[in-house]
Amino acid sequence: DTEVTQTPKHLVMGMTNKKSLKCEQHMGHRAMYWYKQKAKKPPELMFVYSYEKLSINESVPSRFSPECPNSSLLNLHLHALQPEDSALYLCASSQDSISGGASDTQYFGPGTRLTVL
Amino acid sequence: QKEVEQDPGPLSVPEGAIVSLNCTYSNSAFQYFMWYRQYSRKGPELLMYTYSSGNKEDGRFTAQVDKSSKYISLFIRDSQPSDSATYLCAMIRGTGGANNLFFGTGTRLTVIP
Repeated sequence: DTEVTQTPKHLVMGMTNKKSLKCEQHMGHRAMYWYKQKAKKPPELMFVYSYEKLSINESVPSRFSPECPNSSLLNLHLHALQPEDSALYLCASSQDSISGGASDTQYFGPGTRLTVL
Repeated sequence: QKEVEQDPGPLSVPEGAIVSLNCTYSNSAFQYFMWYRQYSRKGPELLMYTYSSGNKEDGRFTAQVDKSSKYISLFIRDSQPSDSATYLCAMIRGTGGANNLFFGTGTRLTVIP
């Protein structure tokens, strides 16, 4: 099973709202990732959790707040977003993120399409 | 110069054609190579994964790696309308590290019935 699930599929929110995106994997992977993807562009890395600890924050604005409650779950809390934050938000996981090679192969979820009004 | 370059397309072919998708890279530290397929408004799906120079075949798909030329290709035989998607090449360094996956820009493919 190489499935990563994400909820919700679609989200529309106003600039003053607070919402959360959720991601789950049951592959025993110890690294989980959040990406942002704009139309016709490749995914851009936002955050990496390795063994439930935040290991990478790619200079993401504080209106995006990640959380890793356990090794299977990853959340992205959203607050005071801007219309330019509208995008497809992708979660991915890999066996780990420190060994290199095959264990770094990432499996992606279907994404949450976020629209900020 | 980007570390991974990919022909952006778009590429439009008739059904049944052989499709060739290509990426080049500049960093010899890349050791593992993937092709992802992404349908419109969906997440990327891992299609092929290779390590060695040479060819790897899976059904109608063949991934080719030439490490000496720093060039990778994905061939699709007998292309079908269902192959219409964006194809992203991606590469991993062999040394590990959390920020380790590098994408090409993607090639949008349309297979016309």
